[in-house]
Amino acid sequence: DAGVIQSTRHEVTEMGQEVTLRCKPISGHDYLFWYRQTMMRGLELLIYFNNNVPIDDSGMPEDRFSAKMPNASFSTLKIQPSEPRDSAVYFCASSKQGGGQAFFGQGTRLTVV
Amino acid sequence: QKEVEQNSGPLSVPEGAIASLNCTYSDRGSQSFFWYRQYSGKSPELIMSIYSNGDKEDGRFTAQLNKASQYVSLLIRDSQPSDSATYLCAVGTYKYIFGTGTRLKVLA
Repeated sequence: DAGVIQSTRHEVTEMGQEVTLRCKPISGHDYLFWYRQTMMRGLELLIYFNNNVPIDDSGMPEDRFSAKMPNASFSTLKIQPSEPRDSAVYFCASSKQGGGQAFFGQGTRLTVV
Repeated sequence: QKEVEQNSGPLSVPEGAIASLNCTYSDRGSQSFFWYRQYSGKSPELIMSIYSNGDKEDGRFTAQLNKASQYVSLLIRDSQPSDSATYLCAVGTYKYIFGTGTRLKVLA
């Protein structure tokens, strides 16, 4: 298996622009997680899905953030409009079952200038 | 969010020594406990998982869980320079909350 795929490793965008991060989970995994990592706050859970349904989005910082999972093999995290404080590494992870090990993608380093 | 606490370190140990990493958590309902290792610029990778009280050993690594004290630890025996990384504790049931990590330095 190729693992969790986040095809974009680095994303640079200007303040005010829309940015969309993409993730392909491991096939057969029912849970998908979006995390954000910064030096100050560590690894924060933003939202997670079970069987493509958003279960808990309490970690999404603001209405500027939204996430979708239109099918079992694809998820997006969108920030609109982006701000410099959104600069971070965004990780997608998936797990086969609730309570099971989460496998991480390579992460997307977002820089908002 | 429920909290997971770790000492940020750095924890420095000589090569060959035992490294002891600790983590406390606040959610008593948590059922799953994980230790991840993260090298600089890389993604977290799983080292150990533990689900019940007691010890679990895998090679040079031992995870210990005490649910009554809300405490989970990781012991690394015969530490190697290649073990130098940040170790993240993750706790939860369906969703996982991570601690901020402990930076470990193994000195050759």
